[in-house]
Amino acid sequence: DIQMTQSPSSLSASVGDRVTITCRASQSISSYLNWYQQKPGKAPKLLIYAASSLQSGVPSRFSGSGSGTDFTLTISSLQPEDFATYYCQQSYSTPSITFGQGTRLEIK
Amino acid sequence: QVQLVQSGAEVKKPGSSVKVSCKASGGTFSSYAISWVRQAPGQGLEWMGGIIPIFGTANYAQKFQGRVTITADESTSTAYMELSSLRSEDTAVYYCARSFLLTTVTTYYYYYMDVWGKGTTVTVSS
Repeated sequence: DIQMTQSPSSLSASVGDRVTITCRASQSISSYLNWYQQKPGKAPKLLIYAASSLQSGVPSRFSGSGSGTDFTLTISSLQPEDFATYYCQQSYSTPSITFGQGTRLEIK
Repeated sequence: QVQLVQSGAEVKKPGSSVKVSCKASGGTFSSYAISWVRQAPGQGLEWMGGIIPIFGTANYAQKFQGRVTITADESTSTAYMELSSLRSEDTAVYYCARSFLLTTVTTYYYYYMDVWGKGTTVTVSS
C-alpha cells in the first residue's frame, strides 16, 4: 500500500494566520491527492481534489498544490471555523486507497 | 442534491456480524461508486472498500478481504456493508461516501469522495 505521511501531526495557530500542511506519499501518485476537513462528531468534508482543484462551495482561502510525492494544503487566512482535523488521501492505487494520519489544527 | 442516509447505531457481540445500509436520498447512485470508510475512536480514517453499482463490482482493502462484503441495490439506491467476525477493534463509526469515478481506457479510480453519510456507530462488546 502507498503510505501517506502528514506533517505536522498537530498545529496551533491564530485567526488570520497563514497555515500550511504537508502530505508526502511513499511513491509517486501523480495528482491523485485529495484533502478533507473533519470537525468533531462530523463526517469528513471534501476541500480539494486532484491536488489543486477547489471543491464547489469551499472558500477560496483553501488551496492545494503539489504532484508526484509532495503536496501541500494552505489556508491563507485562518477563520474560527477552520479549526479542525485535516486529512490527505491518495486515490492513485485504487482500490488500495489510503489516508494520511491527520493534522489537528488548534487555536493558539 | 444527493444525501446519503445511513442506518442507525448497532451494538454487537464479538464474533457476530453487522450490516450497515446507506441510501441515496434526492438522487441515485448514477455513475458513481460508493466507498465505506471507518474511524475508530480518536483515530484516523480508514478506507474499507467500495462498490460500483452500475457494474456490480466491489473492491476491498486487503486488510478487510474475506471479512467484509459490500453490495448495492440499484433499484432502491442503497448500498450495504457487512462486516463479519467482529472484534472489539471493530468498534468505530462507519461512513459511506459517494466516490466520483474516474475511468480511463484500461482502468478506473475511486477519484474523490464528495458526499458523505453522517456515519453509523458500531460498538462491539461482550
